[in-house]
Amino acid sequence: AQKVTQAQTEISVVEKEDVTLDCVYETRDTTYYLFWYKQPPSGELVFLIRRNSFDEQNEISGRYSWNFQKSTSSFNFTITASQVVDSAVYFCALSEAQGNTPLVFGKGTRLSVIA
Amino acid sequence: DSGVTQTPKHLITATGQRVTLRCSPRSGDLSVYWYQQSLDQGLQFLIQYYNGEERAKGNILERFSAQQFPDLHSELNLSSLELGDSALYFCASNLGGVSTDTQYFGPGTRLTVL
Repeated sequence: AQKVTQAQTEISVVEKEDVTLDCVYETRDTTYYLFWYKQPPSGELVFLIRRNSFDEQNEISGRYSWNFQKSTSSFNFTITASQVVDSAVYFCALSEAQGNTPLVFGKGTRLSVIA
Repeated sequence: DSGVTQTPKHLITATGQRVTLRCSPRSGDLSVYWYQQSLDQGLQFLIQYYNGEERAKGNILERFSAQQFPDLHSELNLSSLELGDSALYFCASNLGGVSTDTQYFGPGTRLTVL
């Protein structure tokens, strides 16, 4: 069975600090996709990034970067120079690579960025 | 804006009642997913439809049912409501083909059962 663990329940940082959100996953599948979604206080779920299990190249997009390590089954997400607007709950999710199976979500990490 | 629409945004009802939540997927998407977000259970998958047919079922109660119509919109029916059914219900959609595609979520329907 698939499982996603986000050990950090809540994180609080001061504006302009860097923050890393941890995600560890379990799956028996050899191919799979990993996702990060953001849920701001308004409640909607916003897609941030998708990574497939074949692509371990880490990526930077603006203030966001991702560190995918298959050897440790981790898919961590870093926000550089955090801003108050980054305050939200961040969810890591996992799905099989074929067949558009449902997402398995972690419990989420609530990030509070204080001005 | 993800392109997925859900109505209503808020719903307040009493125990024992029945409600219908509606979802319209993004243009071109064939697959619709329903998820429930509650404080104790987190985000849980309920059911998936692809082009009108049920494709996968998750932790969906027997009191709950869903369908996807020929125009691809979907409805989630919740009956004999209990206090514990209070939650945020999300619909998501994607192309739904063989290769996994990103699911885009609607704004959700917040259900409160009193």
